[in-house]
Amino acid sequence: DGGITQSPKYLFRKEGQNVTLSCEQNLNHDAMYWYRQDPGQGLRLIYYSQIVNDFQKGDIAEGYSVSREKKESFPLTVTSAQKNPTAFYLCASIPSGSPSYNEQFFGPGTRLTVL
Amino acid sequence: AQSVTQLDSQVPVFEEAPVELRCNYSSSVSVYLFWYVQYPNQGLQLLLKYTSAATLVKGINGFEAEFKKSETSFHLTKPSAHMSDAAEYFCVVSGPYYSNSGYALNFGKGTSLLVTP
Repeated sequence: DGGITQSPKYLFRKEGQNVTLSCEQNLNHDAMYWYRQDPGQGLRLIYYSQIVNDFQKGDIAEGYSVSREKKESFPLTVTSAQKNPTAFYLCASIPSGSPSYNEQFFGPGTRLTVL
Repeated sequence: AQSVTQLDSQVPVFEEAPVELRCNYSSSVSVYLFWYVQYPNQGLQLLLKYTSAATLVKGINGFEAEFKKSETSFHLTKPSAHMSDAAEYFCVVSGPYYSNSGYALNFGKGTSLLVTP
């Protein structure tokens, strides 16, 4: 089955540590996105990538970094510079070149908790 | 720029009662509108989407939404609520493709549908 996988489902981090969240898709989609979700806030865009080896900052990129070395993979690193990293993180993808009415496909999410 | 406002953070209904989740949008260009559902600790699943083909859009699980340009609204409705409908619902607007921002999506803050037996 085609889809998006995110791992781990739950992640605990000590303050001052960097952690990397995995996102893999086998949908052959070109564009991938990372969102952060906080209670009552909706989803906010962290980073997105339209093609391999290219990515752009979203609305709340500070304290995060990404890479896009392969079409299938778009890992997100939460660095120690991120002041309040506890949140639910969602990865999404969409075929590039599609009209914008094609919906984004979402992974199951990773819940990150800073101890 | 596009934006959406979900007018209610929570909507409580009794089982088998009708459901209406309200969404208003603002945009200076043509938009595409979506409703997504999220169950606890899961990703988002598409319920339905408006792409200008028809103003009344039918989705999964018996939901539908009507696009009203004059009211800039896209409210989600269902004739009869089931316990399994209890979830978070997001109204989302998408504008044209921009080369420097891709297919930017703007999410509402969500409406929690609470279903009571």
